[in-house]
Amino acid sequence: QKEVEQDPGPLSVPEGAIVSLNCTYSNSAFQYFMWYRQYSRKGPELLMYTYSSGNKEDGRFTAQVDKSSKYISLFIRDSQPSDSATYLCAMTLSGGYNKLIFGAGTRLAVHP
Amino acid sequence: GAVVSQHPSWVICKSGTSVKIECRSLDFQATTMFWYRQFPKQSLMLMATSNEGSKATYEQGVEKDKFLINHASLTLSTLTVTSAHPEDSSFYICSARAIPQGAVKETQYFGPGTRLLVL
Repeated sequence: QKEVEQDPGPLSVPEGAIVSLNCTYSNSAFQYFMWYRQYSRKGPELLMYTYSSGNKEDGRFTAQVDKSSKYISLFIRDSQPSDSATYLCAMTLSGGYNKLIFGAGTRLAVHP
Repeated sequence: GAVVSQHPSWVICKSGTSVKIECRSLDFQATTMFWYRQFPKQSLMLMATSNEGSKATYEQGVEKDKFLINHASLTLSTLTVTSAHPEDSSFYICSARAIPQGAVKETQYFGPGTRLLVL
């Protein structure tokens, strides 16, 4: 079993839809959770950074962490064609620096 | 803030030659940088951790003599693919540790990547 599971998609939605992207994980010691967006042939870009359980909102993006279920989500409201990209979840332990553990990435296509 | 650049953005070379890729942190100092490899439609695969002033730490299965890493300053790490072969063709991405605004713990900021094609 992988430490982090993420459905690779592809996920295709119409413009304006609410998108829900999810990851599950097995290590209950993960404390820090991130979402990265990667456009084709580009490096990943940090979108959201959260610590422990709860919600964090930034514009059209909301990151949600449920540590009891070992489940994290990224919601995109009013999706735009420019949101079409691969979204990678990542997580790490607390206490000093530890490696980032990435999900496989979900490919999202938002069509006009 | 936390901008990471890479050079070159793409390179084509003949089999047997060596290729050097540079990774720079533009607006911050990075004591630790990371090198990843990514195949099409796959996630990032960590190759090595580069520490300023010391030897890099390689992940299991990554040949240290094949992929030479040098972190000579707080803003520059280089990856040299020695005696490159077609199977080394891939997308190489570096990252650097930095603390996001408002956060207390570091995360990684990524460069734009370098596409290597070995003929």
